Amino acid sequence: ETGVTQSPTHLIKTRGQQVTLRCSSQSGHNTVSWYQQALGQGPQFIFQYYREEENGRGNFPPRFSGLQFPNYSSELNVNALELDDSALYLCASRSAGAASTDTQYFGPGTRLTVL
Amino acid sequence: GEDVEQSLFLSVREGDSSVINCTYTDSSSTYLYWYKQEPGAGLQLLTYIFSNMDMKQDQRLTVLLNKKDKHLSLRIADTQTGDSAIYFCAETPPTGGSYIPTFGRGTSLIVHP
Repeated sequence: ETGVTQSPTHLIKTRGQQVTLRCSSQSGHNTVSWYQQALGQGPQFIFQYYREEENGRGNFPPRFSGLQFPNYSSELNVNALELDDSALYLCASRSAGAASTDTQYFGPGTRLTVL
Repeated sequence: GEDVEQSLFLSVREGDSSVINCTYTDSSSTYLYWYKQEPGAGLQLLTYIFSNMDMKQDQRLTVLLNKKDKHLSLRIADTQTGDSAIYFCAETPPTGGSYIPTFGRGTSLIVHP
């Protein structure tokens, strides 16, 4: 148990729709990162939020957006879904300022299927 | 750009040692990590090594880093069936503290009784 939860566990959408995935971080963690893990691949960094502002982004288009809230929850929003967006979406939280090596905790992920 | 390569599969017998290998391209990497992912679960940080270290041991886990060859390995002693999982190597280059790791594709470890 990492103390990081995600919802929903599974989700099925159709192409062109919009989706919101949710993450609840460990209490006190001020940084949350989102990753996309396609089948058979390693996680790909989408973006990171620190104190409710985006402060790092991977190679993902603007239709991937996020929000971080003061209550340690966060959202990943994906607009205009494409078939290739089907993947496991992972969030990870940590407390920035502490050693980055041992404080990033992953949630179990949300499996998104786009038909 | 950054790239992390791993072999895709490793099969061992219970009780033997497992060695999972990884190569990376970014010579400025500061930390290198090993994560474990069990079916249906997120990633669990197993261990890490700072780039100025050659070796780190943590119970059954031994990490070896050859910075000259940009090669990282994870040795699991006395491998158990519960060690069956996918193991990911990851690196973080110095990015001003924003900590953006690059992961390999993962090595699927299968442990036979």
